Amino acid sequence: ETGVTQTPRHLVMGMTNKKSLKCEQHLGHNAMYWYKQSAKKPLELMFVYNFKEQTENNSVPSRFSPECPNSSHLFLHLHTLQPEDSALYLCASSQDRLAGGEGADTQYFGPGTRLTVL
Amino acid sequence: AQKVTQAQTEISVVEKEDVTLDCVYETRDTTYYLFWYKQPPSGELVFLIRRNSFDEQNEISGRYSWNFQKSTSSFNFTITASQVVDSAVYFCALSESYNTDKLIFGTGTRLQVFP
Repeated sequence: ETGVTQTPRHLVMGMTNKKSLKCEQHLGHNAMYWYKQSAKKPLELMFVYNFKEQTENNSVPSRFSPECPNSSHLFLHLHTLQPEDSALYLCASSQDRLAGGEGADTQYFGPGTRLTVL
Repeated sequence: AQKVTQAQTEISVVEKEDVTLDCVYETRDTTYYLFWYKQPPSGELVFLIRRNSFDEQNEISGRYSWNFQKSTSSFNFTITASQVVDSAVYFCALSESYNTDKLIFGTGTRLQVFP
């Protein structure tokens, strides 16, 4: 596979469930991102990982828990979500600009996971 | 404060028409980067272009062209001879030199091209 892949593509869960979203990048990048896209709102950056270390947490509620075991994989663990958490969750990756040079910080996105919380 | 404004919420055109999507940005940084992404119904954001603030040359790629004007803080995107496959939501985004990880997106413009 190439690019950035995300599984599952669709997920329906109850408020008491625990589930995980998975993202994998095959681009040799070392930065990975989680974004939330809700209807009629700009894309919201949730988390950033650089070389497996979390470098940004954009005031995300603790019911969202990211995990980055290596530079190619990123997870988003979900528990006790609310209906307003229903959204498209997008993963992205990029190269470190200082390491990769001009243009290396361009983010490439996966197809997203459409999450519905009942 | 950084901000990206895409004032056009939705545009409808007929195939073969030219269409321009507007993007206006705000930043205090002198070094910054501008992007356009396309989001078709499948959901994936497809990277189209990246521009740094020192390169004001207009860019053309096939039917796509971009007009970057620092004087008006605009980075507009034109599709020439639009096609049905161009139907998508288009996002303009900005990142600043001190934090290139953080992409600030506009709210997007939905383009519908009718046959």
